[in-house]
Amino acid sequence: AQSVAQPEDQVNVAEGNPLTVKCTYSVSGNPYLFWYVQYPNRGLQFLLKYITGDNLVKGSYGFEAEFNKSQTSFHLKKPSALVSDSALYFCAVRRYYGQNFVFGPGTRLSVLP
Amino acid sequence: EAQVTQNPRYLITVTGKKLTVTCSQNMNHEYMSWYRQDPGLGLRQIYYSMNVEVTDKGDVPEGYKVSRKEKRNFPLILESPSPNQTSLYFCASSQGLDYGYTFGSGTRLTVV
Repeated sequence: AQSVAQPEDQVNVAEGNPLTVKCTYSVSGNPYLFWYVQYPNRGLQFLLKYITGDNLVKGSYGFEAEFNKSQTSFHLKKPSALVSDSALYFCAVRRYYGQNFVFGPGTRLSVLP
Repeated sequence: EAQVTQNPRYLITVTGKKLTVTCSQNMNHEYMSWYRQDPGLGLRQIYYSMNVEVTDKGDVPEGYKVSRKEKRNFPLILESPSPNQTSLYFCASSQGLDYGYTFGSGTRLTVV
């Protein structure tokens, strides 16, 4: 069965510094990987996805993620954090040929001014 | 505006009283899904639908029912709600499994 781990409940970073939110996955076959962001009292918003191709994927709001097959990871990154990036971030995986998605527990990102 | 609309946003009900949470999307998406969000557990899939009249169980389907009679609508039915179904519920839709979801704004359900 597929699973997703986000090893950090909370990540704190100073504004202007680079940020990384970690995600590791376990799935049989090739994974389809996604990142979502949830702002307070809102639904989740899609940020980016990896299906195939380049290991570095660029998405919305300046975020990018790096797929690493050998480490089964898909970490979310941004070169320069903004206070407005403070939110809850979820990693999700779908097994190739699978029909359902599994989400990680979420990581709360706080960007400090 | 492309969106997924859930109603109601907030609901307090009593144990055993049947309720329906509605979900509608205006993007002609084939794939729709229901999730519940609980602290520390992330989002867990309840049911999903690949198309009209095609539904399947997710990871936590017990106590829930769904139907997909029309492409745009995917209601979630709790026939006999219990306190352990108190949660934040999200409906989501997508063009297909290779695409990201569009989520609704959520329904906060409390069962007393």
